[in-house]
Amino acid sequence: DGGITQSPKYLFRKEGQNVTLSCEQNLNHDAMYWYRQDPGQGLRLIYYSQIVNDFQKGDIAEGYSVSREKKESFPLTVTSAQKNPTAFYLCASSIFPWQPGTGALTTGEQFFGPGTRLTVL
Amino acid sequence: EDQVTQSPEALRLQEGESSSLNCSYTVSGLRGLFWYRQDPGKGPEFLFTLYSAGEEKEKERLKATLTKKESFLHITAPKPEDSATYLCAVQDGGGSYIPTFGRGTSLIVHP
Repeated sequence: DGGITQSPKYLFRKEGQNVTLSCEQNLNHDAMYWYRQDPGQGLRLIYYSQIVNDFQKGDIAEGYSVSREKKESFPLTVTSAQKNPTAFYLCASSIFPWQPGTGALTTGEQFFGPGTRLTVL
Repeated sequence: EDQVTQSPEALRLQEGESSSLNCSYTVSGLRGLFWYRQDPGKGPEFLFTLYSAGEEKEKERLKATLTKKESFLHITAPKPEDSATYLCAVQDGGGSYIPTFGRGTSLIVHP
């Protein structure tokens, strides 16, 4: 079955420590995203990537870093510079909404992974 | 800037009591409006995409409708297993394909 996997499900970070969250998809999607979800708030975009070896900052990129070395993988590193990292992290993927040939923009529904809950000790 | 407002924030229903959730949006040309269901501690599950005013889509007890300013998610004769947070998101017709999400409506259906 095609889908998105995230690991680990739960992660604990000590002060000053960098941690990496894994995200893998086998949907053959070009675009991948990382969101942060806090209680009472909507999804906030951290980083996104349209193609391999390219990614852009979202609304709250400070204290986070990503890489996109393979189409299937988009790991997120939460660095020690992120002062309030306790949250639920969601990875998503979608087709790249630009239609080949015409260049027209279509919709690209996002499909989400199960999430990683990060807690600072 | 695209804006999405969902109401109410929370809704409690008795089993079988039909109701509607609202998603109001402001966008410069709607490309698509998405509905998701999110269970506690899990990732959102895609439900529907609506493209233009007047469009409707159904799935079991859920029906989503769209106007030029808002979308409704109608829940007919809900069951306790329909309890979840429902998220709405819009994608505008400009160059950015990144959707804007609302904060969601938390639905609890009591048996």
